[in-house]
Amino acid sequence: NAGVMQNPRHLVRRRGQEARLRCSPMKGHSHVYWYRQLPEEGLKFMVYLQKENIIDESGMPKERFSAEFPKEGPSILRIQQVVRGDSAAYFCASSPPGQDGTGELFFGEGSRLTVL
Amino acid sequence: GENVEQHPSTLSVQEGDSAVIKCTYSDSASNYFPWYKQELGKRPQLIIDIRSNVGEKKDQRIAVTLNKTAKHFSLHITETQPEDSAVYFCAASRGGYSTLTFGKGTMLLVSP
Repeated sequence: NAGVMQNPRHLVRRRGQEARLRCSPMKGHSHVYWYRQLPEEGLKFMVYLQKENIIDESGMPKERFSAEFPKEGPSILRIQQVVRGDSAAYFCASSPPGQDGTGELFFGEGSRLTVL
Repeated sequence: GENVEQHPSTLSVQEGDSAVIKCTYSDSASNYFPWYKQELGKRPQLIIDIRSNVGEKKDQRIAVTLNKTAKHFSLHITETQPEDSAVYFCAASRGGYSTLTFGKGTMLLVSP
């Protein structure tokens, strides 16, 4: 059973470009979470999705950031018009259906975005 | 929303010593408290968790204690080994559709 798969692992973008980060949850998992990690900071919650639904996006910046988890295919975190402050590691995590928010999150290896 | 504070931010111990990391949380409705370990450049991985209906849980050299009245919980690692060196994150959740709120992490360095 493959773990949570994220790609790309490393992404370099120039200011103003778009970044797309992809996440395939573990097989059988229907809940996907995106977290951002800045140097010397913890994991900051961004968004929680289930298939075709955004459950909680309270951690998403109001502009330039969007996320989706379509019926088919991976979840995508999209950052438009990137700025240097967007440079961070973006972690995706998944959990199985029926979990009530009090169970293990399985994290991917992260996507490290560098904005030049 | 939930706010989780974690201390210390860095902790250096000698191999064989014990290490204690402490966290406080703000939401009295939180009922799930996991601890994650993240090695350099790797993914965070769950090492132990505790729910609000118990006060202590042990798994070999690691243990977690929870004081719901004071709203704090702690991670205890005994007989530390160099491979315990990593960043440790505490987190809290109230369940349902709520998500995990993480502390800022503690970098543990175990010197041989």
